[in-house]
Amino acid sequence: AQSVTQLGSHVSVSEGALVLLRCNYSSSVPPYLFWYVQYPNQGLQLLLKYTTGATLVKGINGFEAEFKKSETSFHLTKPSAHMSDAAEYFCAVSDTNTGNQFYFGTGTSLTVIP
Amino acid sequence: EAGVVQSPRYKIIEKKQPVAFWCNPISGHNTLYWYLQNLGQGPELLIRYENEEAVDDSQLPKDRFSAERLKGVDSTLKIQPAELGDSAVYLCASSPGLAGEFTDTQYFGPGTRLTVL
Repeated sequence: AQSVTQLGSHVSVSEGALVLLRCNYSSSVPPYLFWYVQYPNQGLQLLLKYTTGATLVKGINGFEAEFKKSETSFHLTKPSAHMSDAAEYFCAVSDTNTGNQFYFGTGTSLTVIP
Repeated sequence: EAGVVQSPRYKIIEKKQPVAFWCNPISGHNTLYWYLQNLGQGPELLIRYENEEAVDDSQLPKDRFSAERLKGVDSTLKIQPAELGDSAVYLCASSPGLAGEFTDTQYFGPGTRLTVL
């Protein structure tokens, strides 16, 4: 079965600092990988996704993530945090090997300190 | 373009009462999803429709939960009777293609926050 782990339920960074949100998955077959963001009282919005091709994926709002098969990771980064980045971030994986299952991680709450 | 619409946004009921949530997906989207999101957790898929067919309802507690997507457009999710543990946010999402391998972007509504007293 597929599972996804997000290390750190809460991350705080200073405005202008690097943002790094961690995501690891477990699967014998490389899955499809996603990062979604959720602002308070809103639905989730896709930041970026990896399906095939280039392992470094660029998304909206300056975010990017790199698929590393050897580390089974898909960490989300942004070079310089902005106050508007404060939100809940969810990593998600799909597993076509076991009948199209889709799983979200437990989320990481990002706080940006002025 | 209008996004995914959900109603009501908030619902408070007493346990053992029935409750229903409504979702109108983005026009033209073939796949519709219902998720359950508990506080501090990620969304968990309850059911997925491709057009009017429920292609994955393995996580739907069928003893009390039911869903329908008549005519392959909007959808309702019902709980009868509700239990205290059903308090959560119920999210609806849609995607343009047929879900297949889940490569499509999912577009989420704002959710319905259910409180069962």
